[in-house]
Amino acid sequence: GAVVSQHPSWVICKSGTSVKIECRSLDFQATTMFWYRQFPKQSLMLMATSNEGSKATYEQGVEKDKFLINHASLTLSTLTVTSAHPEDSSFYICSAPLFSTDNSPLHFGNGTRLTVT
Amino acid sequence: EDKVVQSPLSLVVHEGDTVTLNCSYEVTNFRSLLWYKQEKKAPTFLFMLTSSGIEKKSGRLSSILDKKELFSILNITATQTGDSAVYLCGGGSEKLVFGKGTKLTVNP
Repeated sequence: GAVVSQHPSWVICKSGTSVKIECRSLDFQATTMFWYRQFPKQSLMLMATSNEGSKATYEQGVEKDKFLINHASLTLSTLTVTSAHPEDSSFYICSAPLFSTDNSPLHFGNGTRLTVT
Repeated sequence: EDKVVQSPLSLVVHEGDTVTLNCSYEVTNFRSLLWYKQEKKAPTFLFMLTSSGIEKKSGRLSSILDKKELFSILNITATQTGDSAVYLCGGGSEKLVFGKGTKLTVNP
């Protein structure tokens, strides 16, 4: 069964509104979670690293004020796309390492398809 | 700049064929290379490779890493239509850099 749960699976919103995506680790604690964005026929692009109890680390070129990340507990990270625009339409996916050791494989959520009209 | 390059980008074969997918990487702070299978949604974990020359095997799938030449291959023998998917490889430590994937289509 899924070890990382992501919600919602898909969302359509109007331009200018904000959308929150949740990523939960099931039956394990994740001090770190990762948020990716995937455009059609493209690879997973890391957006940011979500750290429980501290600020997220954003990759170069990702606007931290636009993509707000909150990792309030050991099992939940949220990504809020603020003032969404059509170019933000994409597939957003989170992942978490199953174990806290350095070489733990990542497990991915099912992703969220965001469409901004 | 870290990069992971996969080849071929797409591949069409018939059931029963054997395929080899390639992944080369240039990643700082490299600790492991991971292979994932992505169908409609979330990538599912296949293999994690950390040591050179040690083949990992799971059923008809196998993979090996060459840390000297900085590449890995994923082999699938006796392919089935259910193997049709995008196969992603990612390299790094805690943060992974992914390639664009290889889209495999297995026709009956």
